[in-house]
Amino acid sequence: NAGVTQTPKFQVLKTGQSMTLQCAQDMNHNSMYWYRQDPGMGLRLIYYSASEGTTDKGEVPNGYNVSRLNKREFSLRLESAAPSQTSVYFCASSLYRTAENTDTQYFGPGTRLTVL
Amino acid sequence: AQRVTQPEKLLSVFKGAPVELKCNYSYSGSPELFWYVQYSRQRLQLLLRHISRESIKGFTADLNKGETSFHLKKPFAQEEDSAMYYCALIRAGSQGNLIFGKGTKLSVKP
Repeated sequence: NAGVTQTPKFQVLKTGQSMTLQCAQDMNHNSMYWYRQDPGMGLRLIYYSASEGTTDKGEVPNGYNVSRLNKREFSLRLESAAPSQTSVYFCASSLYRTAENTDTQYFGPGTRLTVL
Repeated sequence: AQRVTQPEKLLSVFKGAPVELKCNYSYSGSPELFWYVQYSRQRLQLLLRHISRESIKGFTADLNKGETSFHLKKPFAQEEDSAMYYCALIRAGSQGNLIFGKGTKLSVKP
């Protein structure tokens, strides 16, 4: 049971290049999330997926796209990277049940992205 | 607007001293609050959640609705408690989306 895995761990891009960050979970969770972590800003939600086949914007979605490929996988794509997207990206998942409005999120190890 | 405020960016204490990491929130209903911790070179993980009222690694947090606070406390800090701590709440009607504070870095000196 690996939990939440992310690839790659590190990436350097030039401005304008594109890339996809991969995330997978093996806990049979319904919900998956992408955050970015910047110094002094905490974690901010980029996109989330409440269930397979659905995705919604979070707090900072501009410049990103996502795909919920299946229940296990949730990818984040940068179509044209910008220096402002230099950050650490975290994927998370949770079982989340609407009726209870509470659940624990499990995080991946993060991807450190630098855009030059 | 729903918001989580952690007023201290950095908190430094000596080993054995009490520690309190402050968290204040802005929320119009009954909040569901969490503390997450990130140790050096490790992933973010749940430390404790309001609804379970448990104590993890000696840490406790009490919800004070009057002061809209959820401060994290430990009576005797240990060096291994040095980490980044984030307070968070679930955004109402959001399918479990968390709103995070900006975090407090706790440094416990020997």
